[in-house]
Amino acid sequence: KQEVTQIPAALSVPEGENLVLNCSFTDSAIYNLQWFRQDPGKGLTSLLLIQSSQREQTSGRLNASLDKSSGRSTLYIAASQPGDSATYLCAVLSGSARQLTFGSGTQLTVLP
Amino acid sequence: GAVVSQHPSWVICKSGTSVKIECRSLDFQATTMFWYRQFPKQSLMLMATSNEGSKATYEQGVEKDKFLINHASLTLSTLTVTSAHPEDSSFYICSASGGPHNYGYTFGSGTRLTVV
Repeated sequence: KQEVTQIPAALSVPEGENLVLNCSFTDSAIYNLQWFRQDPGKGLTSLLLIQSSQREQTSGRLNASLDKSSGRSTLYIAASQPGDSATYLCAVLSGSARQLTFGSGTQLTVLP
Repeated sequence: GAVVSQHPSWVICKSGTSVKIECRSLDFQATTMFWYRQFPKQSLMLMATSNEGSKATYEQGVEKDKFLINHASLTLSTLTVTSAHPEDSSFYICSASGGPHNYGYTFGSGTRLTVV
């Protein structure tokens, strides 16, 4: 059974800092990995999707890497802003049922 | 990009009544949609997989008679919480996979259900 872990559970940084969020998964046989953002009481917004054959994806100030063999992904946020404050969720697509398994998220607070 | 619309965004109902939540894929056809439940400060837990034209597949521990899923068309899936009780109060989110450029999974905006 796939398990996804995110570290840290919460993170508070001053505005302008670069930061890294970590995600690890137990079964490396994945189809893809997706990073989402969730604002309080809202749904999920997809940030980056990395296919199993890819090593990284970039969008603006966000860069996500994938090391499938070690079961790890990182989300790098450059020059953080207060508007980046949200919960960031990592999810992997795996298994014969192509099920999406979520981590418990990292709650990020960027202080002005 | 792929858009999934979920309605309503919040609902308050009395204990014992039923509530229907709709999930629509607006610009693509989704043969499969997924329903998740999220408790406060926890991650998403898959409840069921909704397949167009066939019965939904429920995860272990999810009562199929309580959470009725209908996927009657390629763009609409509904979740009905029957005989709701306060412990059913939660945040329900749907998602669909698809779209012309493989956007991965796209999620609705969620429905906050409060049963009083």
